Amino acid sequence: AQTVTQSQPEMSVQEAETVTLSCTYDTSESNYYLFWYKQPPSRQMILVIRQEAYKQQNATENRFSVNFQKAAKSFSLKISDSQLGDTAMYFCAFSYNNNDMRFGAGTRLTVKP
Amino acid sequence: DTGVSQNPRHKITKRGQNVTFRCDPISEHNRLYWYRQTLGQGPEFLTYFQNEAQLEKSRLLSDRFSAERPKGSFSTLEIQRTEQGDSAMYLCASLWGSPNTGELFFGEGSRLTVL
Repeated sequence: AQTVTQSQPEMSVQEAETVTLSCTYDTSESNYYLFWYKQPPSRQMILVIRQEAYKQQNATENRFSVNFQKAAKSFSLKISDSQLGDTAMYFCAFSYNNNDMRFGAGTRLTVKP
Repeated sequence: DTGVSQNPRHKITKRGQNVTFRCDPISEHNRLYWYRQTLGQGPEFLTYFQNEAQLEKSRLLSDRFSAERPKGSFSTLEIQRTEQGDSAMYLCASLWGSPNTGELFFGEGSRLTVL
């Protein structure tokens, strides 16, 4: 079974500091894709960053970067220079069969002023 | 095009009633997904369409649930004989291409409360 686990239900960080959200997954597939989605309060989910499993280089998008450890099946999200607008639920997601996407339970991140 | 639109945004119904949700995807997107999200959980996959064809259904989609996407445009999700356990947020998402390479665009969801 393909599963995604986010072990941190809630986290907080001071504005301008760095925070890392954890995600682990389980799969027997060799080719898959990993994602982080952000769901701000009362707003729709949006894609933050994507990582292809066959790429060793970690993906980066401005202040957002990932630490992808394929052997450990770990995919953490680092947010640098945290901003108040980063307050949201963050979901780690996994696509393995090019059809559906599986999501973790989420981490609620609060950025404090 | 302002994105994925879902209606109604909130539906309160009594147990045993039928409800229908509508999703209008981004017009050029060929794939449309339905997810269910309960409090404190991530979205759970229900079903997806490629154009008008329903290609996969989750075990979560019991026989009381039915989804359609006539003409490959908007989609409806109907829940018959609602139960309190159906209370959740129902999310629709669309994309062009596949989840591996495309970007899922989500609607704001339709919240169902079954009394």
